Amino acid sequence: GQNIDQPTEMTATEGAIVQINCTYQTSGFNGLFWYQQHAGEAPTFLSYNVLDGLEEKGRFSSFLSRSKGYSYLLLKELQMKDSASYLCAVRAHGGATNKLIFGTGTLLAVQP
Amino acid sequence: EAQVTQNPRYLITVTGKKLTVTCSQNMNHEYMSWYRQDPGLGLRQIYYSMNVEVTDKGDVPEGYKVSRKEKRNFPLILESPSPNQTSLYFCASSTRGQGSQPQHFGDGTRLSIL
Repeated sequence: GQNIDQPTEMTATEGAIVQINCTYQTSGFNGLFWYQQHAGEAPTFLSYNVLDGLEEKGRFSSFLSRSKGYSYLLLKELQMKDSASYLCAVRAHGGATNKLIFGTGTLLAVQP
Repeated sequence: EAQVTQNPRYLITVTGKKLTVTCSQNMNHEYMSWYRQDPGLGLRQIYYSMNVEVTDKGDVPEGYKVSRKEKRNFPLILESPSPNQTSLYFCASSTRGQGSQPQHFGDGTRLSIL
């Protein structure tokens, strides 16, 4: 079966660093995406990993270990506007399909 | 501006009354998809389309229909809506699934079926 696990909720302090973990078990692997979703809004793309290692994009970084079925999203210098849900999604198949399997999301609350 | 447009944004209706949610994208994307999002269940794929006249079932297709007569449009049809279809619906589009091309999401349609 296909399964993606993330913590349901996390709390962090403004200015701090937070790491959101994602583990996956899928029938194949062709890339992992992180999306940010503010309440009632559309998910927006944050990062993509397909090879092992760290991808850095400003305050946001994402790490992948394919052998462990594990990824994390690292948010630095947290701001109040980072309060949102963070969705981990795996593209399990290659070829022309872009089917994504989503985790249930991690709701991050940033406190002053 | 590159975007995915869904209509309506909100709809309250009654059981059994057919409805259509429209989705249009202006990015010339081949791939389009419909999701529903429910608390504790995350985003689940309903149907997807890899190109004009090519559609396939996702993980939760029961009670839904789609069509892809033009590349830019991918409407979601509920022939006989039921209360368990009350949800937040998202349409998404992308180029075909190679590399880092993300899916671009519409703003969502909140459906309430009474």
